Amino acid sequence: EVQLVESGGGLVQPGGSLRLSCAASGFTFSTYIMNWVRQAPGKGLEWVSYISSSSSTIYYADSVKGRFTISRDNAKNSLYLQMNSLRAEDTAVYYCARKGVGGASFDYWGQGIPVTVSS
Amino acid sequence: QSALTQPASVSGSPGQSITISCTGTRSDVGGYNYVSWYQQHPGKAPKLMIYDVSDRPSGVSNRFSGSKSGNTASLTISGLQAEDEGDYYCSSYTSSTYVVFGGGTKLTVL
Repeated sequence: EVQLVESGGGLVQPGGSLRLSCAASGFTFSTYIMNWVRQAPGKGLEWVSYISSSSSTIYYADSVKGRFTISRDNAKNSLYLQMNSLRAEDTAVYYCARKGVGGASFDYWGQGIPVTVSS
Repeated sequence: QSALTQPASVSGSPGQSITISCTGTRSDVGGYNYVSWYQQHPGKAPKLMIYDVSDRPSGVSNRFSGSKSGNTASLTISGLQAEDEGDYYCSSYTSSTYVVFGGGTKLTVL
């Protein structure tokens, strides 16, 4: 069974940093493209970042470019999101999501981890 | 990158059919057959319902179908059931970043 479990969220002050992790199991993690998607309270979904299976290709949404860094450790079946210079507008539930067979679809999602940026 | 445009809400009675639209541009919906639809229940993670405009993942009911015409994609749910109530999001590959989502549509089953 495919499982994605996020951790590392919490409350952080504006300007602070946080590192999210996503532990994957039930599939060959090293062969899949992975993503982070977030959802602000009461709002819609927003794609955040993409990393290819070998980490050779990385994309970011304009809203986080230069502040967030996506990475992965295939030996540990883990995905990461380093978030720096956090702003109030980064407050959201963050999901890790596996890219499916479709052109740009996400077939499995974690349960989500809340991040709150507030003083 | 602007979000794709979806109606804020739609509703229907059990057994009826409803359609949710998703309008983008030639740089996303109109330019690629990479439109997906997700269902989300309160407090839960999104669930993939349709990918590549009209393909259904294994296990998704055939009451869900997708289509596209020009810059607008559509999700149709036939034989509406109470369990279909929730939020629905479309997404598309976009040439500018990678993926853009719609603003979401709240489906109410009357």
